[in-house]
Amino acid sequence: AQSVAQPEDQVNVAEGNPLTVKCTYSVSGNPYLFWYVQYPNRGLQFLLKYITGDNLVKGSYGFEAEFNKSQTSFHLKKPSALVSDSALYFCAVRDMGYGQNFVFGPGTRLSVLP
Amino acid sequence: NAGVTQTPKFQVLKTGQSMTLQCAQDMNHEYMSWYRQDPGMGLRLIHYSVGAGITDQGEVPNGYNVSRSTTEDFPLRLLSAAPSQTSVYFCASSSWTVPNYGYTFGSGTRLTVV
Repeated sequence: AQSVAQPEDQVNVAEGNPLTVKCTYSVSGNPYLFWYVQYPNRGLQFLLKYITGDNLVKGSYGFEAEFNKSQTSFHLKKPSALVSDSALYFCAVRDMGYGQNFVFGPGTRLSVLP
Repeated sequence: NAGVTQTPKFQVLKTGQSMTLQCAQDMNHEYMSWYRQDPGMGLRLIHYSVGAGITDQGEVPNGYNVSRSTTEDFPLRLLSAAPSQTSVYFCASSSWTVPNYGYTFGSGTRLTVV
């Protein structure tokens, strides 16, 4: 069975500093990995995905993620955090079999302090 | 292009009452899913559909029914509401033919069962 772990419930970072939100996964076969962001009282918004190709994936709002197959990780990064980046972040893996459903991690709340 | 539309946005039910959460998408997506979001648990799959007339159970299906009579609509029925069903519910859709391989989420329904 596929699973996703986000080891940190909360990440605090000062505005202007780099940020990292961690994600590790367990899948059989090739992973299809995603990051979503949820702002208060909103639905989830797609940030970026890794399907194949370069290990460094660039996405929306200046975010990027690094796929590391040997460490089964897909950490989300941004070189310079903004207060407006404060939100709940979900890592997810997509099951490319029947149903193609997503398995989500528990989420990491990012707080960017001014 | 409305995307995924969920109604209502908020609902309070008494224990034992029944109700239907509506979900409609206008993107001709084959896949539709219902998730519930609970603090610290991420999103958990309730039911999903790979096309009109086909539905399957997800991780937490008990107490919920779904149907998919058209490509556009995927309602979620609570048969006899229980306090444990207090949650935020998200409907999502996706298409295998779109290279994104991602979900489009509705804005959610916040349900409280008292």
